[in-house]
Amino acid sequence: EDQVTQSPEALRLQEGESSSLNCSYTVSGLRGLFWYRQDPGKGPEFLFTLYSAGEEKEKERLKATLTKKESFLHITAPKPEDSATYLCGGCGSGGYNKLIFGAGTRLAVHP
Amino acid sequence: GAVVSQHPSWVICKSGTSVKIECRSLDFQATTMFWYRQFPKQSLMLMATSNEGSKATYEQGVEKDKFLINHASLTLSTLTVTSAHPEDSSFYICSAPRTGGVGYGYTFGSGTRLTVV
Repeated sequence: EDQVTQSPEALRLQEGESSSLNCSYTVSGLRGLFWYRQDPGKGPEFLFTLYSAGEEKEKERLKATLTKKESFLHITAPKPEDSATYLCGGCGSGGYNKLIFGAGTRLAVHP
Repeated sequence: GAVVSQHPSWVICKSGTSVKIECRSLDFQATTMFWYRQFPKQSLMLMATSNEGSKATYEQGVEKDKFLINHASLTLSTLTVTSAHPEDSSFYICSAPRTGGVGYGYTFGSGTRLTVV
């Protein structure tokens, strides 16, 4: 059964304090590893798609990387507006291209 | 582009009544729509997958007679929570793959907060 596990569950950072979020996955025939940002009471907002081990993508203070078993979301010099829940999801070779999410990491960045 | 409009954004209903949630793809055709449920401080749990013109596929443990899904057109999918009870109170979100396949990602609706009293 496909599974996505995220850690830590919650993370508190000071503004400017860089860190990484982890996403471990066991997804049969991975077709894409996705990162989303979700603010309270809203739908997820797309950040990145990674397809193969070794791939990296960047957007502003965020950088996502992928290995055969894990993905990391690196946050460099975070700001309070980066506070949100970050969701990792995997799409495998199962039917209908469904996306299975991990439990998420709740990030709080304090001034 | 690739916007999914979800309505209502919140709804309060009495126990035993039914509630319908709509998701419309505004600028693309959504042949598939995924329906998720999210409890407070928890992740998105996939409930079912709907495909235009065919029966929905439900995840294990999801009652198909309670959560009725209809995908009658390429731009509209609906989720009806029948005979709602307080334990059905949750945040429901729909999602559709963008045109072109998995590589183009998934677009999400803004969610519906259901409260059953």
